[in-house]
Amino acid sequence: GAVVSQHPSWVICKSGTSVKIECRSLDFQATTMFWYRQFPKQSLMLMATSNEGSKATYEQGVEKDKFLINHASLTLSTLTVTSAHPEDSSFYICSASQVGQMLAKNIQYFGAGTRLSVL
Amino acid sequence: AQKITQTQPGMFVQEKEAVTLDCTYDTSDPSYGLFWYKQPSSGEMIFLIYQGSYDQQNATEGRYSLNFQKARKSANLVISASQLGDSAMYFCAMRERGGATNKLIFGTGTLLAVQP
Repeated sequence: GAVVSQHPSWVICKSGTSVKIECRSLDFQATTMFWYRQFPKQSLMLMATSNEGSKATYEQGVEKDKFLINHASLTLSTLTVTSAHPEDSSFYICSASQVGQMLAKNIQYFGAGTRLSVL
Repeated sequence: AQKITQTQPGMFVQEKEAVTLDCTYDTSDPSYGLFWYKQPSSGEMIFLIYQGSYDQQNATEGRYSLNFQKARKSANLVISASQLGDSAMYFCAMRERGGATNKLIFGTGTLLAVQP
């Protein structure tokens, strides 16, 4: 159980275009989904926390208008990189935590990540 | 502020041997959770093991065990009988229960290479 699907796994786009990444919890309902960015050989950096039915909470330094997050249902959150530029090239990975679990043990289950290359 | 430290950027281990990956943490919250994740070269983050701050016993999950020393604020991951498929990045993470959100803070990771 606790499978998180992320799509696409790899996307190449032209500079100036927008890219949408989907994150779905397949066999559980996710109160909260998280979006991370990871540069090569570095740790995960939290970009934003997405709660179903409400606006996402962005971490300091993350541009809200650049990285649009929509969490329309308990099983789907999307991240849209608007007007992507080469510096946005990175590995983006989402995670989801299950409704009802005790907060301290609330395990985040991760998607397989999306490798974005902006040319 | 909470912090996770992994001091080993990389390690080698022989197949079938045990290996310990170090993790120390800092928090002022008496209630917190500690997690270990594995990230193979394919990129996905795989949850391995969880330890709660009030748990009396060290967590174990198959070949994974967590050596939790609360007074020393360490939560080392022990992998027994290493396998070639264990080669990956390993991240230690922590969440404070008293926080307003469910955010995880990750360490910088340890790259484990299992040699045949």
